[in-house]
Amino acid sequence: DAKTTQPPSMDCAEGRAANLPCNHSTISGNEYVYWYRQIHSQGPQYIIHGLKNNETNEMASLIITEDRKSSTLILPHATLRDTAVYYCIVRGVGTSYGKLTFGQGTILTVHP
Amino acid sequence: DVKVTQSSRYLVKRTGEKVFLECVQDMDHENMFWYRQDPGLGLRLIYFSYDVKMKEKGDIPEGYSVSREKKERFSLILESASTNQTSMYLCASRPQHGSSYNEQFFGPGTRLTVL
Repeated sequence: DAKTTQPPSMDCAEGRAANLPCNHSTISGNEYVYWYRQIHSQGPQYIIHGLKNNETNEMASLIITEDRKSSTLILPHATLRDTAVYYCIVRGVGTSYGKLTFGQGTILTVHP
Repeated sequence: DVKVTQSSRYLVKRTGEKVFLECVQDMDHENMFWYRQDPGLGLRLIYFSYDVKMKEKGDIPEGYSVSREKKERFSLILESASTNQTSMYLCASRPQHGSSYNEQFFGPGTRLTVL
């Protein structure tokens, strides 16, 4: 599975959009981009995933560049409860029964 | 809602003890996983199971074993606990098919301290 690079930390004001970048320059054609987050003292929570098209769900939007070497997770109106560690993960289809390799992630702090 | 529960949130054991960590999921998922999480190392996969009585080693299986006698339950066993197994242990499950196929559902974690 391809390696990902994320900034170690980011800040965001409550109510504003939080844009979290992820670099995955070695991604291959059949690998998906997944985002999870982990709120303090809880297990990780799935947010969204995509292959090459932009995706949106009730939690967030995922923008993947045309060359697929990077992506951005967008939380459109961040709240204090969005303070968490955000993990960008790249995983191939059908590999290891869904094994996820978590890196260090980005600590997002949403402040009032 | 999918629910993954773990038997304890906090556990303190002594070196050499046999430790059982239990995980139960209520959504009939085929795949189940055990991870450990340590500062600076992220989550690392210990073992996973793709069906009842099936198990596969993950990235760091040494010192651990697992048991999956029933579909809903996946147990992690520390045969002889050591201080370097002090960690946060996370269980997850995932369906083999269906709309949630791409999503792993995690339990709240068990923070194990080995003295």
